[in-house]
Amino acid sequence: EDKVVQSPLSLVVHEGDTVTLNCSYEVTNFRSLLWYKQEKKAPTFLFMLTSSGIEKKSGRLSSILDKKELFSILNITATQTGDSAIYLCAAPHGSSNTGKLIFGQGTTLQVKP
Amino acid sequence: DADVTQTPRNRITKTGKRIMLECSQTKGHDRMYWYRQDPGLGLRLIYYSFDVKDINKGEISDGYSVSRQAQAKFSLSLESAIPNQTALYFCATSDRGRGNQPQHFGDGTRLSIL
Repeated sequence: EDKVVQSPLSLVVHEGDTVTLNCSYEVTNFRSLLWYKQEKKAPTFLFMLTSSGIEKKSGRLSSILDKKELFSILNITATQTGDSAIYLCAAPHGSSNTGKLIFGQGTTLQVKP
Repeated sequence: DADVTQTPRNRITKTGKRIMLECSQTKGHDRMYWYRQDPGLGLRLIYYSFDVKDINKGEISDGYSVSRQAQAKFSLSLESAIPNQTALYFCATSDRGRGNQPQHFGDGTRLSIL
């Protein structure tokens, strides 16, 4: 059975800290891994990773995929209170090109001033 | 205007009532999805649709039904609501495209069943 597992489930840090969020997966016919940020409303897309070892970067956020060890990490440097959110990772699963995603439980990040 | 719009945003109702959640999109995407989110469980897929009249069950479809009468609209119904269907419900869309396309989410409907 396909699964995506995130850790930690929750995290509290102070502004300026660097955080690393983890996502491990067991997905048949793995194709890609996606990261989303969910504040009060809709999850918003951050990154899609398809190749091992290639870092995706957007400002203070970066992510990398390890297809050998079946995990991805999301790093946030110099955290700000606006980074407080639930971070979700997900992977397409099932027949190729169905668009179905399986999600991890999410990591709730709280950044204190 | 939001690309993916869900109505209502919040709903409180009683056990046994029939409820319909609506989703409309202006992104022109073929694929639409309904998820529910519960604390500690992430998002779980209820139903999905690749085109008008195309309906597919997700991992937790029992107790739910859907309708895709137009490309831009995908509605979710709870025929007889029960308290454990209390959750945050999200509609999402994605483009057919080549390879994997990220899904785009609405703002959610918070549903409480008393």
